[in-house]
Amino acid sequence: GQQVMQIPQYQHVQEGEDFTTYCNSSTTLSNIQWYKQRPGGHPVFLIQLVKSGEVKKQKRLTFQFGEAKKNSSLHITATQTTDVGTYFCAEGFLEYGNKLVFGAGTILRVKS
Amino acid sequence: KAGVTQTPRYLIKTRGQQVTLSCSPISGHRSVSWYQQTPGQGLQFLFEYFSETQRNKGNFPGRFSGRQFSNSRSEMNVSTLELGDSALYLCASSLRSAGYEQYFGPGTRLTVT
Repeated sequence: GQQVMQIPQYQHVQEGEDFTTYCNSSTTLSNIQWYKQRPGGHPVFLIQLVKSGEVKKQKRLTFQFGEAKKNSSLHITATQTTDVGTYFCAEGFLEYGNKLVFGAGTILRVKS
Repeated sequence: KAGVTQTPRYLIKTRGQQVTLSCSPISGHRSVSWYQQTPGQGLQFLFEYFSETQRNKGNFPGRFSGRQFSNSRSEMNVSTLELGDSALYLCASSLRSAGYEQYFGPGTRLTVT
């Protein structure tokens, strides 16, 4: 079935270090959405990537969609304690309405 | 604009009982999706409703059902509860009919004892 693999499962970084999480699929992805869930909170939409090779930036966050549309990454430059949380990628299926298939998520912990 | 609201926020039930959870989407959003979140299985899609019609359904048993009303509010029902149904149930609404960002509610934490 549909599956999106996300690595790493956990990442502990020192404040100021960079962080990257990767999302991979064996099939071509229609589109990728990224969400952040703070501890005790709910997922919050960050970005959507649709085009092959697309790169989008939000302040210290950089999102990429692979050329073959089979992988995506989220990179955070100079992490801050406010970046703590779980980052999820999710595959969207245009032919299936708003159904999302989520990756397992990467838990980010930042040591100050 | 008010966000997605879910009621109740916490619920404790015993095995065999049934439960109904409610979700009010953002005003103007006609798409409502439900997800189950557990530590072991992560975020899993339950079903999606759009204009009162179920468009998609995830791989969950028939004990899980839902509906959407004409005002876009949605309910999900779980009958004959099992211990494994303990989870955070999240509702998400979306403005467009497909492939658009989703806004999640705070969730309902269901504990089955």
